[in-house]
Amino acid sequence: DTAVSQTPKYLVTQMGNDKSIKCEQNLGHDTMYWYKQDSKKFLKIMFSYNNKELIINETVPNRFSPKSPDKAHLNLHINSLELGDSAVYFCASSRGHDYEQYFGPGTRLTVT
Amino acid sequence: AQTVTQSQPEMSVQEAETVTLSCTYDTSESDYYLFWYKQPPSRQMILVIRQEAYKQQNATENRFSVNFQKAAKSFSLKISDSQLGDAAMYFCAYRPLTGGGNKLTFGTGTQLKVEL
Repeated sequence: DTAVSQTPKYLVTQMGNDKSIKCEQNLGHDTMYWYKQDSKKFLKIMFSYNNKELIINETVPNRFSPKSPDKAHLNLHINSLELGDSAVYFCASSRGHDYEQYFGPGTRLTVT
Repeated sequence: AQTVTQSQPEMSVQEAETVTLSCTYDTSESDYYLFWYKQPPSRQMILVIRQEAYKQQNATENRFSVNFQKAAKSFSLKISDSQLGDAAMYFCAYRPLTGGGNKLTFGTGTQLKVEL
């Protein structure tokens, strides 16, 4: 009974490629997020969607484009991958402005 | 902008002993939430404990408790009777009560080692 799931868990790709990471939550939440954890383990928010509407868009390169087809899904598409994009990407969800966010297992992206 | 500072990159504790992890934060808001998350080697982010700033009583969850000092903007985590399974990276996080899109701001983390 996975609450927040991400696919794939590991992704190795070459510079210049385009890749997507998928996120799904079965908690009935209406707010979803993407966080990036860098090599020093620093976690920072990238995007937040509420009811499929973009709420937060931090200073992220426009090569990153989130897409929310419905409230249960928030996918992250990355164009023209760069070495610096290597990181662990976490999806999370919450019930509106409820204070608890539930995190997915993370996707380790390695760009070579 | 809100910032969260964890000044201890690494801490060690003997099994069954008590350890305290430090966290300070900066905000101009009067109402907000504070959290401690645990990230074991499995990478999963696990919520350990949360504190509402409007509550004076310190939150407690079994062996985990916090010392919340609002005036000092300090939010430390105490782990009692440490167990091997407590070994993990611990992140302190801040979230405004309203506005900000429910954004969590994290500290840089403290790696906790538990020794036999």
